[in-house]
Amino acid sequence: QKEVEQDPGPLSVPEGAIVSLNCTYSNSAFQYFMWYRQYSRKGPELLMYTYSSGNKEDGRFTAQVDKSSKYISLFIRDSQPSDSATYLCAAFTGFQKLVFGTGTRLLVSP
Amino acid sequence: DSGVTQTPKHLITATGQRVTLRCSPRSGDLSVYWYQQSLDQGLQFLIQYYNGEERAKGNILERFSAQQFPDLHSELNLSSLELGDSALYFCASSALVTSGEETQYFGPGTRLLVL
Repeated sequence: QKEVEQDPGPLSVPEGAIVSLNCTYSNSAFQYFMWYRQYSRKGPELLMYTYSSGNKEDGRFTAQVDKSSKYISLFIRDSQPSDSATYLCAAFTGFQKLVFGTGTRLLVSP
Repeated sequence: DSGVTQTPKHLITATGQRVTLRCSPRSGDLSVYWYQQSLDQGLQFLIQYYNGEERAKGNILERFSAQQFPDLHSELNLSSLELGDSALYFCASSALVTSGEETQYFGPGTRLLVL
């Protein structure tokens, strides 16, 4: 079983929709959670960073962590075609390597 | 632009060969990380260097090695290449050693194709 699981998609939505991207993890030691966005043929770029449980909002993006169920989510409001990319969740204990999910491909159609 | 540079962008080679991938971290970053990204395995952590010293090891094969030089640039050496080594190789850098506050900035990657 992978430490961080993510549905590969693709997830197709119309422009303006609310997008929900999700990951589950198995290691209870994970305390830091990130979402990266990766455009085709580019390196991942950090979108959101959260510590422990709770919500964090940044513009149209909201990251949510539920440590009791080991579930992390990224919500995108008013999705745009430019949001079309692969979204990678990642988890970190603070002392060891960053563990990535395999990524969910998101397609936002105009 | 993340500030992390990687060369070459593309590399095509044959099985059994050896290649070297190069990474220059963001100005001021002391930590360099190497990752391998393939379609079926996703982004896999290979190895981390901090200020010239190996800091953490992930799923790095014995055929692979890395080093970080005094000017902080890093090289990833892949030898006895196999078809399955074809992948995207990313370098990332960060300012801190191991901290939850650190942010890793990724380079554009090197696409390796082994024929």
